[in-house]
Amino acid sequence: DAGVIQSPRHEVTEMGQEVTLRCKPISGHNSLFWYRQTMMRGLELLIYFNNNVPIDDSGMPEDRFSAKMPNASFSTLKIQPSEPRDSAVYFCATALVGEKLFFGSGTQLSVL
Amino acid sequence: GENVEQHPSTLSVQEGDSAVIKCTYSDSASNYFPWYKQELGKGPQLIIDIRSNVGEKKDQRIAVTLNKTAKHFSLHITETQPEDSAVYFCAASPGQGYALNFGKGTSLLVTP
Repeated sequence: DAGVIQSPRHEVTEMGQEVTLRCKPISGHNSLFWYRQTMMRGLELLIYFNNNVPIDDSGMPEDRFSAKMPNASFSTLKIQPSEPRDSAVYFCATALVGEKLFFGSGTQLSVL
Repeated sequence: GENVEQHPSTLSVQEGDSAVIKCTYSDSASNYFPWYKQELGKGPQLIIDIRSNVGEKKDQRIAVTLNKTAKHFSLHITETQPEDSAVYFCAASPGQGYALNFGKGTSLLVTP
């Protein structure tokens, strides 16, 4: 299996632009998590889905952030409009409910 | 919610020495405690985990101990090697497949 696949690996954009991050989970995994990593705050949970349904989005910082999981093999995290403080590494992680969590390689986002 | 504290934030050891990283958690409902290793430019990778019905678990040079009464758990790496150099994260959750709450990480440097 190719593991959790995230795209793009790097994204550089200007403040105010829309950013879309993508994640393809490991086949068969039915839980999907979006985390954000910064030096100051470490790994923060943004939102997670079980069987494509959002379970907890309390970590989503503000209305500028939204996440979708239209099917079992794809999820997006969108930031609109983006701000410099959104600069971070965004990780997608997936699991079979009750099993171990696997992380993707992350998307390095820089908002100028 | 769950709060996971991790110490130390940085740790430097000589090759062959042991390294110990400690974590405490606040939520008594937590019963799953994984440890992740993150190398530069990569996503966190699970290295070992323990459930609350077990006090200790070992896998070759790494071991994890858990004290549920005191709400703390530790990672022990013996006979350290330069390739052990990375950032290590502890985490806690109510169970596998649930959202993980991470500590802030320990940057381990193993010098030859």
